[in-house]
Amino acid sequence: DAGVIQSPRHEVTEMGQEVTLRCKPISGHDYLFWYRQTMMRGLELLIYFNNNVPIDDSGMPEDRFSAKMPNASFSTLKIQPSEPRDSAVYFCASSLVLGHPEQFFGPGTRLTVL
Amino acid sequence: AQSVAQPEDQVNVAEGNPLTVKCTYSVSGNPYLFWYVQYPNRGLQFLLKYITGDNLVKGSYGFEAEFNKSQTSFHLKKPSALVSDSALYFCAVRDIGTGNASKLTFGTGTRLQVTL
Repeated sequence: DAGVIQSPRHEVTEMGQEVTLRCKPISGHDYLFWYRQTMMRGLELLIYFNNNVPIDDSGMPEDRFSAKMPNASFSTLKIQPSEPRDSAVYFCASSLVLGHPEQFFGPGTRLTVL
Repeated sequence: AQSVAQPEDQVNVAEGNPLTVKCTYSVSGNPYLFWYVQYPNRGLQFLLKYITGDNLVKGSYGFEAEFNKSQTSFHLKKPSALVSDSALYFCAVRDIGTGNASKLTFGTGTRLQVTL
């Protein structure tokens, strides 16, 4: 298995532009998580899905952020409009719950908003 | 609410010496506990977990962790450190006694520096 796949690996954009981050979870995993990592705030859970349904989005910082999971093998995290304070590394992770509760992380997308 | 504390921002150890990275947790029910490692410019990598059973858990790369319920701790250990172990280590907890049982709470991370 290729593991969790994220694209792009690096994104540089200007303030006000729309940014879309993509994630392909491990096949067969029924949970998908989006995290954000910064030096100041550490690792923050933004939102997670179970069987493609959003379960908890309380970590989404504001309405500029949205996430979707149209099917079991694909999820997006969108920021519109982007701001410099959104600069961070965004990770996607997936897991099974029963029997194997550990989460497996993708390599992350490093977002820089100028 | 569940929480994790990693009291040390950084741990320094000489290669060949034993290492310990500390973690304490707080949950309302029974915990699932995890350790992850993050190398520079990489995602978090699963090391080991405690769910139930033996309090001493063995994981990848020679790491182990000891679950101590009375002290609510889950310290990461390795008998002999390697320079290649230098990385950022995260402890995480999942409270299986709550309705949000699939949610992991991560600590702030401890940077391990192993020197020759």
